[in-house]
Amino acid sequence: KAGVTQTPRYLIKTRGQQVTLSCSPISGHRSVSWYQQTPGQGLQFLFEYFSETQRNKGNFPGRFSGRQFSNSRSEMNVSTLELGDSALYLCASSLAGQNSPLHFGNGTRLTVT
Amino acid sequence: AQKITQTQPGMFVQEKEAVTLDCTYDTSDPSYGLFWYKQPSSGEMIFLIYQGSYDQQNATEGRYSLNFQKARKSANLVISASQLGDSAMYFCAMEDAGNNRKLIWGLGTSLAVNP
Repeated sequence: KAGVTQTPRYLIKTRGQQVTLSCSPISGHRSVSWYQQTPGQGLQFLFEYFSETQRNKGNFPGRFSGRQFSNSRSEMNVSTLELGDSALYLCASSLAGQNSPLHFGNGTRLTVT
Repeated sequence: AQKITQTQPGMFVQEKEAVTLDCTYDTSDPSYGLFWYKQPSSGEMIFLIYQGSYDQQNATEGRYSLNFQKARKSANLVISASQLGDSAMYFCAMEDAGNNRKLIWGLGTSLAVNP
C-alpha cells in the first residue's frame, strides 16, 4: 500500500507570494491533518479535514487555509508569505477510529526569501 | 494547558545497547493517548508506539517499549539492542483533548547510535 505522498518536496518562494502544497493520503484514509515544523516552535497543528470538511483548526492566522477533495486528497494554501512561514510542512492521514496513529508523508520544505 | 516535555536534547548510545528517551506530560484529561514517533533526516515522521491512559499494560512493539508511569505522568521510550539505523530525532506526542489527529508534541530528542 502506498504511503502518504506530499508534493512538492521543496519550494522556494518570495515574501508576499502564495503557495499551495498537496497531500495524497493512504488509500482508505479519510482524515488528513497538516502540521508545521520549525526548529524554534517544533511541530504545531494546522488543521484536520475529514470527508471534505474541516474538523479542527490550530492557532494559525487566516493566511493558512486548506481543503479536501472527494478522493480525500488535500491541499493547503498559504497566502501573503512571510519569512516566518519557512518550515517543513507535514501532512498525515489516518483511519477514522480512535487510537489510530497518524501516518506522515515526507513533508514539503518551504523556504521564504 | 496540555504540555509535553522532553528534557534530553541529545543522546548517544553504543550499538546493541538499550537506551531510554524521557517524556513527561501534563494534562487534566482523565483519558488520553501518548505516541512516540521517529524522524530520520529524510523528514518523514514514523509512528513507533502508542499508549492509552487506561491501558493496563505497558505498550511494546518489537524493540520498542513504553515505560508508562501514570502517577508520575511519564511515558519513556525504551529502545532495546540499538541499531545504527535508529539514529534519528524522536518525538513524544499526546492527544489534544482526546483528539488523536490533533497532537501536542515535545521538542524531540536527537539520538545518535555509535558503532
